[in-house]
Amino acid sequence: SQELEQSPQSLIVQEGKNLTINCTSSKTLYGLYWYKQKYGEGLIFLMMLQKGGEEKSHEKITAKLDEKKQQSSLHITASQPSHAGIYLCGAARGSQGNLIFGKGTKLSVKP
Amino acid sequence: GAGVSQSPRYKVAKRGQDVALRCDPISGHVSLFWYQQALGQGPEFLTYFQNEAQLDKSGLPSDRFFAERPEGSVSTLKIQRTQQEDSAVYLCASSPGTGRGYTFGSGTRLTVV
Repeated sequence: SQELEQSPQSLIVQEGKNLTINCTSSKTLYGLYWYKQKYGEGLIFLMMLQKGGEEKSHEKITAKLDEKKQQSSLHITASQPSHAGIYLCGAARGSQGNLIFGKGTKLSVKP
Repeated sequence: GAGVSQSPRYKVAKRGQDVALRCDPISGHVSLFWYQQALGQGPEFLTYFQNEAQLDKSGLPSDRFFAERPEGSVSTLKIQRTQQEDSAVYLCASSPGTGRGYTFGSGTRLTVV
C-alpha cells in the first residue's frame, strides 16, 4: 500500500471556485512538502511544513499540517486556469532526507 | 547555475541500447538525488549522493542501473540494456543539505521502443 495517499486523484473545478487536496500518511510526519508539476516538466516547490499545526500561505494557496492526524491539506482559493497541474505531496524519509511521494492529484480548472 | 539542469530532455532508445542521462545540480549543493517517475505516478527514489559519495542506492531497480558523481557536481545515471519498463521520466534534485529544501530539474523523458 502507498505510504502517502492523496485525495482526490483528480479534480475538475470551475474557475473561481475553492478546492482542497488532502495528503494522508501511514507514518508519523516530521515534514511535508508540496510540489506542483506541469505535464512533462519538473517539480515546482510550493511549501514545506515542519511543525504540527503549521500553516503557510503563498498567494492563493494555503497548506496546513495536522501531525496528530498524520495529514496535510492544500487549499486553493478562487482557482484560476494557471493553477491547473498535478499536485504532489512528499515526506522526508531516511537519514539523508530522500523524499517519498504520493501519486499526485491532477487539477483541471475550467474557464 | 541558477537551477538544476538535465539533459537530454527527451530520449528515445531501442530496447537493448545503453543510455546516459546527465544532471547538473545547483552549484555548491552537496546532496543530489535521482528519481524515476512512471506515467500517472509520483516520483520514486533511486539513489542519493553526498558530494561524490553514493550513500544510498537502494532504489535502483536492477543492476542495469548505475549512477556516478565523480567530482561531486555533475551526475550521470546510466541504464544498460534498456527495457520497455524503463520508460519513465527521470528527475534529478539537489539540496544544500538535509532538511534544507530540494530543487528539481525538468527531467529526462525516456521512451524505450
